[in-house]
Amino acid sequence: GQQVMQIPQYQHVQEGEDFTTYCNSSTTLSNIQWYKQRPGGHPVFLIQLVKSGEVKKQKRLTFQFGEAKKNSSLHITATQTTDVGTYFCAGLYGGSQGNLIFGKGTKLSVKP
Amino acid sequence: NAGVTQTPKFQVLKTGQSMTLQCAQDMNHNSMYWYRQDPGMGLRLIYYSASEGTTDKGEVPNGYNVSRLNKREFSLRLESAAPSQTSVYFCASSEASGFGETQYFGPGTRLLVL
Repeated sequence: GQQVMQIPQYQHVQEGEDFTTYCNSSTTLSNIQWYKQRPGGHPVFLIQLVKSGEVKKQKRLTFQFGEAKKNSSLHITATQTTDVGTYFCAGLYGGSQGNLIFGKGTKLSVKP
Repeated sequence: NAGVTQTPKFQVLKTGQSMTLQCAQDMNHNSMYWYRQDPGMGLRLIYYSASEGTTDKGEVPNGYNVSRLNKREFSLRLESAAPSQTSVYFCASSEASGFGETQYFGPGTRLLVL
């Protein structure tokens, strides 16, 4: 079935280091969404990518959607302790009436 | 606006007991969803309602039932709870009918089944 693979599962960084999480699908996605979940909290929407090769930035966060619309990445420059949490991608298959499948998430910890 | 609200926040059940998790949204959204989140498993869709009056199964519907009471409310019922249903349950909503839009999540219900 449809599956979104997300790596790594965990990432420990020193404050100020960069961080990247990757999502891959074996089949083409309609779009991909990214969410952040703080410890003990609920997922919060960050961004949605729709176009092939799309790149979007939010301050220190850079989101990319692959040319084939099968992979995506989230890169954080110069991590801060406020970046701690789990980052999820969610791939949409088959358009708005299809399926939204979440990756298992990457848990980021930042050492001050 | 409160956004998406869920009750209760915490619940402990014994095996075989039943309960209903309540969810309400005040954003006039069309679609509502129920997910469960287990360690290392990410979010898995239990049921969703693309619009008022419709419900559909997600990835893990067994052991659950849902009711879209009106446009605002979407409840999840466990008829006979099992330890495997120990999880954190999130309700979500989105404006569009379907999955192509941002989902707004509630604070979650932590359920422990003994």
